Amino acid sequence: DAKTTQPNSMESNEEEPVHLPCNHSTISGTDYIHWYRQLPSQGPEYVIHGLTSNVNNRMASLAIAEDRKSSTLILHRATLRDAAVYYCILPRNDMRFGAGTRLTVKP
Amino acid sequence: NAGVTQTPKFRILKIGQSMTLQCTQDMNHNYMYWYRQDPGMGLKLIYYSVGAGITDKGEVPNGYNVSRSTTEDFPLRLELAAPSQTSVYFCASSYGLPKGSKRANTEAFFGQGTRLTVV
Repeated sequence: DAKTTQPNSMESNEEEPVHLPCNHSTISGTDYIHWYRQLPSQGPEYVIHGLTSNVNNRMASLAIAEDRKSSTLILHRATLRDAAVYYCILPRNDMRFGAGTRLTVKP
Repeated sequence: NAGVTQTPKFRILKIGQSMTLQCTQDMNHNYMYWYRQDPGMGLKLIYYSVGAGITDKGEVPNGYNVSRSTTEDFPLRLELAAPSQTSVYFCASSYGLPKGSKRANTEAFFGQGTRLTVV
């Protein structure tokens, strides 16, 4: 997989928006950007993915830079349940994860 | 719809013993993966498979073996268990288009994990 870089940790207040950044400067033209999250003591779960255009689903929005070298996962109103480790990856035949960003949500 | 099922959920092994972690999926996914996750760390890819009969090494394959005789099953074999293999193991599956095409992997689904302790 192409390498991604994310901050180790971020904090947010409950019910406020959260913007989780990811840099992927070596992305290729066919790489999709995927986001997963891992709640405490659970397996990872899919959040969202996209190629070039911004994407929205019931969980989050994905904003992709015009040059595709970075992206941002947006949680519109963070809840305590959103506290998790968030992973940004560029899967190819293999699917490798970095350390991700640990999001803490404060009441 | 079961998704990805891993068995067992917990296991304690003695050093030198062997065991097989089972993983099965019912979504007809061609891609399957095995990861290990040590406490406080991210997931490390052990092996993956892009279809029945095809397996490839990931980041940390030493001490493990896999096979993929059917689309549904992707067992992970530990031979001669060592304390360093104490970890939580996750299996995952997804649908992927062939290599070289404009891939649009679907979302990957993960099992609930197997917590393995080697003493």
